Amino acid sequence: EAQVTQNPRYLITVTGKKLTVTCSQNMNHEYMSWYRQDPGLGLRQIYYSMNVEVTDKGDVPEGYKVSRKEKRNFPLILESPSPNQTSLYFCASSFRPSSAGARYEQYFGPGTRLTVT
Amino acid sequence: AQSVTQPDIHITVSEGASLELRCNYSYGATPYLFWYVQSPGQGLQLLLKYFSGDTLVQGIKGFEAEFKRSQSSFNLRKPSVHWSDAAEYFCAVAAAYSGAGSYQLTFGKGTKLSVIP
Repeated sequence: EAQVTQNPRYLITVTGKKLTVTCSQNMNHEYMSWYRQDPGLGLRQIYYSMNVEVTDKGDVPEGYKVSRKEKRNFPLILESPSPNQTSLYFCASSFRPSSAGARYEQYFGPGTRLTVT
Repeated sequence: AQSVTQPDIHITVSEGASLELRCNYSYGATPYLFWYVQSPGQGLQLLLKYFSGDTLVQGIKGFEAEFKRSQSSFNLRKPSVHWSDAAEYFCAVAAAYSGAGSYQLTFGKGTKLSVIP
């Protein structure tokens, strides 16, 4: 089954304790992205990756790191989490958009609900 | 940079009534437009998308949307709402930028739909 998986689905942690949220897709997609969803703000892009070893900042990258060492995986790293990073996080993937058009839909994972106390 | 406005934060309709959710976008070139639905506790599912051609596009679950370039709108419609349609709906615009090889998917803040049985 084609899917995007995220782990963990729920996480409660304390301020400053490093954590990693994993994301994996089995569709051979080049493009992967992380979003956070907050009430009243919709989804905002944190980081994205156009391909292996190619990553770039989205709209709200502060406090986050990513890496793309393999095509299927795109982990999100919070080196020193703070309470304002309490949110619902989504990973998404798609085939690589090109300058000819951004026509490919993104497939979303089930989400990771993170609480930082 | 592109932007998306969903003017209605929350809409309530009776089951069987028609539905229209509004979406306005801002983008300098031909937009690639999407509607996603998020059921409670779930990830995002694509309802429909517009890239080019016929301005009225059909999606899953009986939804359709009409692209109106002159109004910069991409409103979502359904002739008869079912109780299972209660969810949050997100409009999104995608843009690919040549040269820089960058790509961005920008979401509106969402419209929450409640359905009265």
